[in-house]
Amino acid sequence: QSALTQPRSVSGSPGQSITISCTGTSSDIGAYNSVSWYQHHPGKAPKLMIYDVSERPSGVPDRFSASKSGNTASLTISGLQADDEADYHCCSYAGAYSHVVFGGGTKLTVL
Amino acid sequence: QLQLQESGPGLVKPSETLSLTCTVSGDSISTSPYHWGWIRQPPEKGLEYIGTIGDGWSTYYNPSLRSRATIFADTSKNQVSLTLTSVTAADTAVYFCAKTQSMLRGGWGWGQGTLVTVSS
Repeated sequence: QSALTQPRSVSGSPGQSITISCTGTSSDIGAYNSVSWYQHHPGKAPKLMIYDVSERPSGVPDRFSASKSGNTASLTISGLQADDEADYHCCSYAGAYSHVVFGGGTKLTVL
Repeated sequence: QLQLQESGPGLVKPSETLSLTCTVSGDSISTSPYHWGWIRQPPEKGLEYIGTIGDGWSTYYNPSLRSRATIFADTSKNQVSLTLTSVTAADTAVYFCAKTQSMLRGGWGWGQGTLVTVSS
């Protein structure tokens, strides 16, 4: 059981938008502005897509956006492309005891 | 450009100790600020934080793994290592090495991961 809850799968057609939720608690997502999101193509290194709730690293397209409300963070991908098909994982700092927690991952299928 | 390469045995017997090494290139593991971490992903499951070694070589561990995990650094080889004792089948996973400048900010950069299977 992962500390953060994500839907197991989402899907969308090319050009459409999808949103992946990540629900935690007042001890992790709700307490810190340290949510990050990772794109993972199996067999490759996970790639940082979003950090500090809504910041994009250099090179990540602005089709990827994210936000947080209360204990839930969300990642939105607009203008879906075939290459967006991957697993997406959320992550949050969780304080001095648990340190870092992850979600269970969401498999994005581009139809 | 930061590159992280995990290495170690792909097969470990139950009750034995798992040992993995992360070789870092493109960065010095001693250059502050730093947190070098280990994260794993069991088959068909989500990512699980194992622990990190940070500034001043302070270590931080997932409470559920604290009694079995040790993370340490070898600055002469620019490597960070993980040992996990008394392994069981539940420890079968892809193990990733990762780096962040702060666990509170900035996100993680990752290695490709290495699969470790616990089986007799």
